[in-house]
Amino acid sequence: NAGVTQTPKFRILKIGQSMTLQCTQDMNHNYMYWYRQDPGMGLKLIYYSVGAGITDKGEVPNGYNVSRSTTEDFPLRLELAAPSQTSVYFCASKPNPGGRSSYEQYFGPGTRLTVT
Amino acid sequence: GQQLNQSPQSMFIQEGEDVSMNCTSSSIFNTWLWYKQDPGEGPVLLIALYKAGELTSNGRLTAQFGITRKDSFLNISASIPSDVGIYFCAGSGGTSYGKLTFGQGTILTVHP
Repeated sequence: NAGVTQTPKFRILKIGQSMTLQCTQDMNHNYMYWYRQDPGMGLKLIYYSVGAGITDKGEVPNGYNVSRSTTEDFPLRLELAAPSQTSVYFCASKPNPGGRSSYEQYFGPGTRLTVT
Repeated sequence: GQQLNQSPQSMFIQEGEDVSMNCTSSSIFNTWLWYKQDPGEGPVLLIALYKAGELTSNGRLTAQFGITRKDSFLNISASIPSDVGIYFCAGSGGTSYGKLTFGQGTILTVHP
């Protein structure tokens, strides 16, 4: 069972370049999330989705975009990379509401992005 | 907004020692979760707590949901080298989209 997978694992971008971070889950979860993790900090929510076609902003959405065309995939787009976007990015998903475990989020392995 | 204060920020211990860490919140949570992150990996869920006062174990790990609903504690007994990593607490106030607020993490180093 693959769970949450992310690609690429590492990436170096030049300022102003764009890229898409891929995230896929095979657990049939409607809820998916994108976080960034900076050194010494907890995880900050960038965007989230409660189902295909439905996305919304989290705490730190500036400079990012998302789309959700299928239940499985939730890509994160950086249009004009800036040094402040150097970070580790994690995708997560959680079970649909209704059960005791419905707040438990499951994380992918992360994408380590450097913008220079 | 909600804030979580996790302490200590880091711990250096000898193999075999017990470890305690905690999180306190500025507001009430309905769910507390504890994650572990190994170097270069994503966070992995260790323990989930759903009720004030609840005490739950997972092997050598024990976590408690504080009775005020504003804090949670994680204990690791008889630490071993593979316990090394960053431990995060996370809380949910029950929002419709399942938002989690994360602590800053406790970096654990275990000396053999």
